[in-house]
Amino acid sequence: QVQLQGSDPRLVRPSETLSLTCTVSGGSINSNYWAWIRQPPGKGLEYIGYIYYTGGGTTYNPSLKSRATLSVDTSRNQFSLKLNSVTAADTALYYCAVGWGNSKGTYFDPWGQGTLVTVSS
Amino acid sequence: QSVLTQPPSVSGAPGQRVTISCTGSDSNIGGGSDVHWYQQLPGAAPRVLIYGNTHRPSGVSDRFSASKSGASASLTINGLQAEDEADYYCQAYDRGPSGPEFFGTGTRVTVL
Repeated sequence: QVQLQGSDPRLVRPSETLSLTCTVSGGSINSNYWAWIRQPPGKGLEYIGYIYYTGGGTTYNPSLKSRATLSVDTSRNQFSLKLNSVTAADTALYYCAVGWGNSKGTYFDPWGQGTLVTVSS
Repeated sequence: QSVLTQPPSVSGAPGQRVTISCTGSDSNIGGGSDVHWYQQLPGAAPRVLIYGNTHRPSGVSDRFSASKSGASASLTINGLQAEDEADYYCQAYDRGPSGPEFFGTGTRVTVL
């Protein structure tokens, strides 16, 4: 059973770059899709993007595409999210998750425990 | 804003049946995208309840079921229990400019 462990809570200053890592255990990162989803305090879920291990292809939420970068480190069984030029609106609980996709879409299971990111000066 | 609309809240007494709707459009559910449902208990990460419109992962109670018709989908909880009090989200692939993957607005289920 794959398990995901996200980064520790982060405090990031406005305009800086947020960097998060998710470590995969109990399975290989050499398959599936590897996703990031966030949840602002008291609000709903927002898809950020996912990366396919095969070929390293990515998909992003268009509203975040210009600021987000996803990557995979197979040697460490980790995948990562970088989000630049952050503002207070990026304050959220950031979840990593495993994606299972086909031509009709992708679902996410399991999810990591979530990492709280606070953007503040 | 989400392209998948859910009622903000539904409630029911223990033992009752409740249904949560998820309304989309031709660019997602109506266009053939699969619908997936998640449960988020208070203070916990979401977990998948239903994937591929109707499929229940092992370990998920058979009190949860789902269906899809046209551009809408629904999640039904039979025999409502106190432990079902949580937030529920639908999710589907969207072929429009706001895609690709979208979560619904979320529904809070309250057990009276």
